[in-house]
Amino acid sequence: DAGVIQSPRHEVTEMGQEVTLRCKPISGHDYLFWYRQTMMRGLELLIYFNNNVPIDDSGMPEDRFSAKMPNASFSTLKIQPSEPRDSAVYFCASSLALGGGGNIQYFGAGTRLSVL
Amino acid sequence: GDSVTQMEGPVTLSEEACLTINCTYTATGYPSLFWYVQYPGEGLQLLLKATKADDKGSNKGFEATYRKETTSFHLEKGSVQVSDSAVYFCALHSGGSNYKLTFGKGTLLTVNP
Repeated sequence: DAGVIQSPRHEVTEMGQEVTLRCKPISGHDYLFWYRQTMMRGLELLIYFNNNVPIDDSGMPEDRFSAKMPNASFSTLKIQPSEPRDSAVYFCASSLALGGGGNIQYFGAGTRLSVL
Repeated sequence: GDSVTQMEGPVTLSEEACLTINCTYTATGYPSLFWYVQYPGEGLQLLLKATKADDKGSNKGFEATYRKETTSFHLEKGSVQVSDSAVYFCALHSGGSNYKLTFGKGTLLTVNP
């Protein structure tokens, strides 16, 4: 398997523009997670999906952020309008629903977003 | 709520030195515990895990033992290599139907030749 695939790897945009980040999870995985990583705040969970349905979006910072999962093989994280403080590395991860705990999340390589 | 505390970095060692990165946790119930590693420019990947008390996870020469009595899961390696330079994250999964992982802030390890 190719693993979790994220695109683009790097994104540079200007304040006020719309940004869309994309993720293809590992085939057969039931869960998909979006994280944001910054030096100041570390790794933050933004939202996660189970079988394409959003389960917990309590980490989404504000209404400018939205995430969708239209099918089992694709998810997007959209920021509109973008602001300089959104600059970060955004990771997507997926996992199987296994009983008994110990579920492993597999991470993509991330999208480095710079908002000027 | 759940939380993970790991030692502040950065940690700088010489090759073949011993490594310990401390991790303690607070959780309800009986969590599973993980160490993830992030190499420069890459995403996180699982290094090792333990799902119950007294379990020892191990991989690539790294070890960590799930200590319920001290709520700890310290990462150890007897002899580090330059290639071990990375950021290490301790994490927990509190179980049940909640599939979220709670991560520590990460510890940057640099190993010099």
